[in-house]
Amino acid sequence: GENVEQHPSTLSVQEGDSAVIKCTYSDSASNYFPWYKQELGKGPQLIIDIRSNVGEKKDQRIAVTLNKTAKHFSLHITETQPEDSAVYFCAASTGPARQLTFGSGTQLTVLP
Amino acid sequence: DTGVSQDPRHKITKRGQNVTFRCDPISEHNRLYWYRQTLGQGPEFLTYFQNEAQLEKSRLLSDRFSAERPKGSFSTLEIQRTEQGDSAMYLCASSSGQISGNTIYFGEGSWLTVV
Repeated sequence: GENVEQHPSTLSVQEGDSAVIKCTYSDSASNYFPWYKQELGKGPQLIIDIRSNVGEKKDQRIAVTLNKTAKHFSLHITETQPEDSAVYFCAASTGPARQLTFGSGTQLTVLP
Repeated sequence: DTGVSQDPRHKITKRGQNVTFRCDPISEHNRLYWYRQTLGQGPEFLTYFQNEAQLEKSRLLSDRFSAERPKGSFSTLEIQRTEQGDSAMYLCASSSGQISGNTIYFGEGSWLTVV
């Protein structure tokens, strides 16, 4: 089955700096890669996703890049703000509505 | 806008007791998923339904776990003879099930503590 590895497990940045979180996956059949943000005591919330026919996608301060050859994808957050502090999860699946395999999460802390 | 709704949000139970969680998906979403999340880990897939049919079950779903979606709308997840290892957050999610351009939306989760 699919295996998703996520790094780093914790990340602290100064407000206004950029944050990068990286994930690798094992199943070459995976073609859908969402990123979720989870705040304490709440369920995961989708922040951005990318499909395998696209190499990069951007939404305001958030961007995701995908390298299918190397089987890795990354989340980039620019101009970080304290409210970006949360746990971020990457995930992979063989389709947008198929089951997701999650990484182990990254605790992002944005220091004011 | 009504998202995925889960009830109860928190449940404390004694080992050996049965517990049941309910999930109401987003209206008209025909796919419904159950995941389990323990502290410091990402959610792990348990099972999913397309309408009322349970199409896939993870090996994590032992015989003590049963999920139903009788009318293709809300779903229940029952855990029988709970064990301390069942303590976790149980997440429900739904999607419209379209082949392309679709998102899985999660609820706020149901926390289970087995004492």
